[in-house]
Amino acid sequence: QVHLVESGGGLVKPGGSLRLSCAASGFTFSDHYMSWIRQAPGKGLECISYISSSANTIYYTDSVKGRFTISRDNARNSLYLQMNSLRAEDTAVYYCARNYGNPVDYWGQGTLVTVSS
Amino acid sequence: EIVMTQSPATLSVSPGERATLSCRASQSVSSNLAWYQQKPGQAPRFLIYGASTRATGIPARFSGSGSGTEFTLTISSLQSEDFADYYCQQYHNWPWTFGQGTKVEIK
Repeated sequence: QVHLVESGGGLVKPGGSLRLSCAASGFTFSDHYMSWIRQAPGKGLECISYISSSANTIYYTDSVKGRFTISRDNARNSLYLQMNSLRAEDTAVYYCARNYGNPVDYWGQGTLVTVSS
Repeated sequence: EIVMTQSPATLSVSPGERATLSCRASQSVSSNLAWYQQKPGQAPRFLIYGASTRATGIPARFSGSGSGTEFTLTISSLQSEDFADYYCQQYHNWPWTFGQGTKVEIK
C-alpha cells in the first residue's frame, strides 16, 4: 500500500530555514509526479509546489517562489522541500502528496512547521 | 489564479439524508475538478476526480457532477463516517487551488 511519511518539521524563527523530507513506499516513486500542500491552522489547503517524475517540470505558488525549493531523489524514493526565509504566514501542516495525473490520490500525515520568535 | 468558492460553509444534515455541496470556479476549469474529504487531525482523502469519477474504493453514495464553472458533490444517504469537511480543487491551471471547504455536520 502507498505510504508517505514526512519529517523535518518543527519550530523555527522568522528568517530561518527548514528542510522537509518525505519517504515514499508501496509504489514506483519514479513514475509519479509529487506535490507539497500545506494547511495553516484551522484553514484550508494550499498547493505550494509540484514536481514531475523526472524533475523536468517544477511549479511553485507565488507566495513561496524564490524562498522554497522542491526536489526529489528517485533512487531514494524521497521528496524534499527546502524552505528558506521563513515567515509567520508559513506556519502550517505540510503534506507530501502523490499526484494521480494532477489531482492528489495519496497524502502523508503531515508535518507541522511553526514559524515564531 | 482561479478562485474556488464552496457553499454552504456549513451543512447540517441528519444521518440517512442527502447532502448536496456546491463548488464554483471563477473561470472555466473544464472537468478538471477533484473533491476531497478531511476529518479532524487527518490528511484529506481523495474522493472524486474529473468532476464525476469516483476514486478507487469510494462508495457509490458519493457522486460528482458539473463542468465549466459549476460543480456539485452529492452524498446520497449520509453515514456517520461521512460527517467531515469537504474540499473541491481545480487542477486546470497552476496553481491548483482549493475551495475554502464545506463542513458537513450532524443535525
